[in-house]
Amino acid sequence: AQKVTQAQTEISVVEKEDVTLDCVYETRDTTYYLFWYKQPPSGELVFLIRRNSFDEQNEISGRYSWNFQKSTSSFNFTITASQVVDSAVYFCALSEANMGRRALTFGSGTRLQVQP
Amino acid sequence: DADVTQTPRNRITKTGKRIMLECSQTKGHDRMYWYRQDPGLGLRLIYYSFDVKDINKGEISDGYSVSRQAQAKFSLSLESAIPNQTALYFCATRDSRISGELFFGEGSRLTVL
Repeated sequence: AQKVTQAQTEISVVEKEDVTLDCVYETRDTTYYLFWYKQPPSGELVFLIRRNSFDEQNEISGRYSWNFQKSTSSFNFTITASQVVDSAVYFCALSEANMGRRALTFGSGTRLQVQP
Repeated sequence: DADVTQTPRNRITKTGKRIMLECSQTKGHDRMYWYRQDPGLGLRLIYYSFDVKDINKGEISDGYSVSRQAQAKFSLSLESAIPNQTALYFCATRDSRISGELFFGEGSRLTVL
């Protein structure tokens, strides 16, 4: 069965520090998608990125970057020069091609606190 | 207006009461989901539906039921609420692509006393 592990429950950094949020997944499928969502203090869930299992290129979007490594089943998220507005809970999620339900399986989330 | 709307946004109720959380969407997606969020546990799938005639249990369906009244509407019911159902509930929609992300409603915070 699929599983997503976010071992870091909470991380606290000072503004302008770089921070990496870890995500490790388990799946038997060869075709799958990985996602990151952000949940700011206001509570809504905001989609950040999607990555398919055949594309191991790293992706950068502004201060955000993602490192996908199939060899270690990891899809880590790095925020460069963190800002207070980055304070949120971040969720990693997995979707498998062969699962009939086509739902996303989420990790337990990492709470990031960025101190001014 | 939000693409995925949940009502009520907040509800306090007592043990044993029947509660319905409603979700409607304007995205035209056929897939709809109900998730529950608890601190430290992430989001867990309660029920999901691929169309009005296709409803499936998720990993934590006990104590819950759902109704897909139309393609755009998906309701979650707690027949007899209990305190450990206190949580933040999210409705979500998704298109038919395996690559498609979930679009979430704003959440319904339920407190069962």
